[in-house]
Amino acid sequence: ETGVTQTPRHLVMGMTNKKSLKCEQHLGHNAMYWYKQSAKKPLELMFVYSLEERVENNSVPSRFSPECPNSSHLFLHLHTLQPEDSALYLCASSPTGSTDTQYFGPGTRLTVL
Amino acid sequence: GNSVTQMEGPVTLSEEAFLTINCTYTATGYPSLFWYVQYPGEGLQLLLKATKADDKGSNKGFEATYRKETTSFHLEKGSVQVSDSAVYFCALMRTSGSARQLTFGSGTQLTVLP
Repeated sequence: ETGVTQTPRHLVMGMTNKKSLKCEQHLGHNAMYWYKQSAKKPLELMFVYSLEERVENNSVPSRFSPECPNSSHLFLHLHTLQPEDSALYLCASSPTGSTDTQYFGPGTRLTVL
Repeated sequence: GNSVTQMEGPVTLSEEAFLTINCTYTATGYPSLFWYVQYPGEGLQLLLKATKADDKGSNKGFEATYRKETTSFHLEKGSVQVSDSAVYFCALMRTSGSARQLTFGSGTQLTVLP
């Protein structure tokens, strides 16, 4: 068990829908991450939260909106997405130390129609 | 900036063959280096890591040595199994404030045939 859970595992949505992805970690970590994994492309870091503050936003379009209400939960709110946003969205967490390992959830497979 | 270059796949091997997946990196300072593995339908799992030059990470028969002089971290296994079929990602870690961030290579698909 990785200790990082993501729901839903699969999501199909239309371009006008609003949906949210949820990530929960049970490891006592205080940094959380969203990554996007598209076919034939390296994993793209989207957002980083550390101690519930956003510390990085890698030029992600505003149709993706993250929320970190506490150190155990991370959300990604989606609205007005495009078909090219279809991908596997991975959440990860880590402690804040000198040589941290990131622990990944299983991902949410998102399809935008 | 930081970057990771991985051997392009896909790689197809027969069971018990020797595996090498090349990885080189560009980074300032002395990053930690990682290999992650992604099995079909799953998220990424840490396979092994090394935190300083000449360190060797190992796990499940896989090994990789941190070579600062060649900026490399090649993954090797002496005898692969069908169950090793997966996508392998090389990554380096950098610091941004209080969080640690991974930069990944593009991944190498490995298929092991019985």
